Amino acid sequence: DTAVSQTPKYLVTQMGNDKSIKCEQNLGHDTMYWYKQDSKKFLKIMFSYNNKELIINETVPNRFSPKSPDKAHLNLHINSLELGDSAVYFCASSQGTGDEQFFGPGTRLTVL
Amino acid sequence: AQSVTQLDSQVPVFEEAPVELRCNYSSSVSVYLFWYVQYPNQGLQLLLKYLSGSTLVKGINGFEAEFNKSQTSFHLRKPSVHISDTAEYFCAVSPTNSGYALNFGKGTSLLVTP
Repeated sequence: DTAVSQTPKYLVTQMGNDKSIKCEQNLGHDTMYWYKQDSKKFLKIMFSYNNKELIINETVPNRFSPKSPDKAHLNLHINSLELGDSAVYFCASSQGTGDEQFFGPGTRLTVL
Repeated sequence: AQSVTQLDSQVPVFEEAPVELRCNYSSSVSVYLFWYVQYPNQGLQLLLKYLSGSTLVKGINGFEAEFNKSQTSFHLRKPSVHISDTAEYFCAVSPTNSGYALNFGKGTSLLVTP
């Protein structure tokens, strides 16, 4: 069983479109995250949810909106996609502070 | 706020040689320290972590790291590398008193050749 899964794995779309990336974890963790990895492989936190509540919201354009329907899911919706949004987006989960974060396989978003 | 500096962006090494990947951090609060590995086209996997206690931490795949508080360092070492260790390695910190997110360094690309 995959611990943290993301769909889709690849996403190619045009500028201006709206797209969503889905994430699910079956580990029973309370906390989920979205990270962005740019073309230079730098990883940066975008959002963190604990028990369905937003606890970290880094400086991210408001075109990005996370949604957590339940503890096991954290989806990322992106409006009006821009070229600079092209990156690999990773979902992760953990039980709490200091605990290992388990990462999904990533979603490679390409905006044309 | 915390920051992490990985001093080497690329480290080429021959198979069976020892390797050290360097990591320094800066923080105004106590932090937990982590090393993650990313194999090509995959997500990240935890190698090891330091929360408290012994400053020498052993992880998976024969890796170990030593926490040095005075030098604010957490260098990763392996006495003998394999071809399969070729990957991107990330050092990360997380504050102990609040928040959950990891602050990552920019990564070190380890390339092991025969």
